[in-house]
Amino acid sequence: DARVTQTPRHKVTEMGQEVTMRCQPILGHNTVFWYRQTMMQGLELLAYFRNRAPLDDSGMPKDRFSAEMPDATLATLKIQPSEPRDSAVYFCASGASGGNEKLFFGSGTQLSVL
Amino acid sequence: GESVGLHLPTLSVQEGDNSIINCAYSNSASDYFIWYKQESGKGPQFIIDIRSNMDKRQGQRVTVLLNKTVKHLSLQIAATQPGDSAVYFCAEKGGAQKLVFGQGTRLTINP
Repeated sequence: DARVTQTPRHKVTEMGQEVTMRCQPILGHNTVFWYRQTMMQGLELLAYFRNRAPLDDSGMPKDRFSAEMPDATLATLKIQPSEPRDSAVYFCASGASGGNEKLFFGSGTQLSVL
Repeated sequence: GESVGLHLPTLSVQEGDNSIINCAYSNSASDYFIWYKQESGKGPQFIIDIRSNMDKRQGQRVTVLLNKTVKHLSLQIAATQPGDSAVYFCAEKGGAQKLVFGQGTRLTINP
């Protein structure tokens, strides 16, 4: 059964360390989204891609966050250097563009920055 | 700018009763709306969607109603079951081609 796969599921790190989160979208999907979820802000869109090209990363702090799609089967979200305020659950979602806007979410990466 | 909000942050219902979760949106240009269910420790899961050219859509035990006049969306769950306990999010998509999520409503089921 097709699903979005995210690794790692949990990450605990110290402030200042680099964090890399990975996402494997559903095969055949050509849009990939990164969301961050916190109790205070809810689900915030960080960045999204269509056909591996970044379309919008306005929700992402540019000085420390970066998102890429090295190929169609892998999306990465990096934080360098990480800060305690980055602690959240990061979700990746994929979808098929062309009229079908339904997104399928992964199980998320729970990040704790100490 | 776009914003999606929910009238009630929590909702408690008796098992077997119908649940109604409400959502207000502000972007009159939004043309697609979607409801997600999120259980603890999991990612949001698709429930049902609706386009702006419709005002009602039904699924299995769920119905979504769209009132464009007052920019209101609702999710109705029939015969609520313990497994329906979760946080429910509405989301809208406008011209920016991205989903904007509301804050969520926590639904709890009383036995």
